[in-house]
Amino acid sequence: DGGITQSPKYLFRKEGQNVTLSCEQNLNHDAMYWYRQDPGQGLRLIYYSQIVNDFQKGDIAEGYSVSREKKESFPLTVTSAQKNPTAFYLCASSIRGAASNNEQFFGPGTRLTVL
Amino acid sequence: SQQGEEDPQALSIQEGENATMNCSYKTSINNLQWYRQNSGRGLVHLILIRSNEREKHSGRLRVTLDTSKKSSSLLITASRAADTASYFCATAPNTGNQFYFGTGTSLTVIP
Repeated sequence: DGGITQSPKYLFRKEGQNVTLSCEQNLNHDAMYWYRQDPGQGLRLIYYSQIVNDFQKGDIAEGYSVSREKKESFPLTVTSAQKNPTAFYLCASSIRGAASNNEQFFGPGTRLTVL
Repeated sequence: SQQGEEDPQALSIQEGENATMNCSYKTSINNLQWYRQNSGRGLVHLILIRSNEREKHSGRLRVTLDTSKKSSSLLITASRAADTASYFCATAPNTGNQFYFGTGTSLTVIP
């Protein structure tokens, strides 16, 4: 089965802790993305990566970090510097970047709650 | 922000009726895409329309694009209860490699 997976589905974090959200794809896509979605709102881009070992900040990168050491993996770390991290996090991938007329494939999401 | 806007924010119709939702955006685009999201789930791609296209069909979906007005519409014909979801437009600007999502329309189809 080809697809994009995220884990865990639900995550609880105490204030001051860093947490890492997993995103894996076996679609052989070059580009991967992390979005944040708040209740009743659209998606805001946190980070994206077009190729291995390269990534760019999106609109709301502060308090987050990523790595892209392997083509199939793009983990997101929510650091203690992120002041309001409670949200629904979505990972996506596409064959190439947005300019290439490709669709995005989304994972099922991780709901992060800060206690 | 280059985030697009969608209207209406919420739409409630009877099963069998048509649903129309609109998307406006701010910059020149390479393509525009529509996605669907069921509650608490990831997004699913519905249709992509390129900047040089004006209309596209896929099953019960019809998408139009007016680049002079920087707007697009999604029409779902003969709606079904299973169409209940949120619908988002996403634009791919001419420059850069990120997508920009609209604020979404929440559609409820009443059986």
